[in-house]
Amino acid sequence: ETGVTQSPTHLIKTRGQQVTLRCSSQSGHNTVSWYQQALGQGPQFIFQYYREEENGRGNFPPRFSGLQFPNYSSELNVNALELDDSALYLCASSRDGTGNTEAFFGQGTRLTVV
Amino acid sequence: GDSVTQMEGPVTLSEEAFLTINCTYTATGYPSLFWYVQYPGEGLQLLLKATKADDKGSNKGFEATYRKETTSFHLEKGSVQVSDSAVYFCARTYNFNKFYFGSGTKLNVKP
Repeated sequence: ETGVTQSPTHLIKTRGQQVTLRCSSQSGHNTVSWYQQALGQGPQFIFQYYREEENGRGNFPPRFSGLQFPNYSSELNVNALELDDSALYLCASSRDGTGNTEAFFGQGTRLTVV
Repeated sequence: GDSVTQMEGPVTLSEEAFLTINCTYTATGYPSLFWYVQYPGEGLQLLLKATKADDKGSNKGFEATYRKETTSFHLEKGSVQVSDSAVYFCARTYNFNKFYFGSGTKLNVKP
């Protein structure tokens, strides 16, 4: 148990719809990163939030957006869903620092776009 | 560019066999290196890590040594169990705890 919780665990959406995924970070952690894991692939970095500001973004289009709240929980929003957005979405929380601190992953949200 | 490459699976072994899963990385600078494990239907769990050259990470009988000269971080275990069946991901950090992951290696251990 990592203390990082994601909701919902599973979700089915129709192409063109919008979706919001949620992540509660571990106590004491102020950094949340989001990853997309397509079936049979390794996770791909979407973006990171540090103290409520975006702190880096991977190669994902602008319809992927996010927020971090004062309690350091975070949301991932995806607009205009496409079939290829079907994946496991993982969030990871960590403390700020040099980059050598451990990141703890949630169980993920399985999104299916039909 | 910066990346992580790990051996393709699936790897199928009998219980008590020796395991090696190869991982190499490319990077500018000196990243931290990690192995994560993913059991069916679950998220990622940290298995072990190493933060500088020649460090050895170890956990639950698994080991990996950070080899700067060969840019490698191979995962080994002397005697695998059926319960070790999972997908293993090699990863490196860059720029403030962002991760590059390899594509994963599925391990099947047969009784």
